[in-house]
Amino acid sequence: RKEVEQDPGPFNVPEGATVAFNCTYSNSASQSFFWYRQDCRKEPKLLMSVYSSGNEDGRFTAQLNRASQYISLLIRDSKLSDSATYLCVVNIADSWGKLQFGAGTQVVVTP
Amino acid sequence: NAGVTQTPKFRVLKTGQSMTLLCAQDMNHEYMYWYRQDPGMGLRLIHYSVGEGTTAKGEVPDGYNVSRLKKQNFLLGLESAAPSQTSVYFCASSPGGSGNTIYFGEGSWLTVV
Repeated sequence: RKEVEQDPGPFNVPEGATVAFNCTYSNSASQSFFWYRQDCRKEPKLLMSVYSSGNEDGRFTAQLNRASQYISLLIRDSKLSDSATYLCVVNIADSWGKLQFGAGTQVVVTP
Repeated sequence: NAGVTQTPKFRVLKTGQSMTLLCAQDMNHEYMYWYRQDPGMGLRLIHYSVGEGTTAKGEVPDGYNVSRLKKQNFLLGLESAAPSQTSVYFCASSPGGSGNTIYFGEGSWLTVV
């Protein structure tokens, strides 16, 4: 079983719509959680950290559910520029900064 | 602002050849990492370093060696390339510690024929 699992998608979303997807993690000792964005043939870049109480950054909302061991990302009012692969990233408590990456969820926003 | 720089960006190797990927960061980060990314697999950690002069194995270290002689540089070596090492390689760095952002280089596309 993978440490971090994501639905690969693609999630096809009309421009202006809302899309949400989850990521599950297997290690209950996980401490830190992030969403990274990766454009085609580019490097991953931090989108946002995920805090225990949930947090927003503009049109993006991230939630953490420790009991069920998943995090979620919701994108409101989708823009064409939101088309990308979204990587779920988990930091294991004793890993000296080693991160576990999900394989990514592809989002395609259509006009 | 260079951030994390990887060279070369593209390379084609023949099976059995050796090569070194160079990663340089100008953010004074303690931690550096080498990942490989394959379709459907996500990023997998090859080796990492928690400071100058230190290296450690990650999830998929076989067939690779690394060195961190200077804090700003982290080298990834392939002693005898195999087709299974065809991948995109990303170097990354971070200040270290749980919760800190990790910054990636632009990637190196390696094909072994």
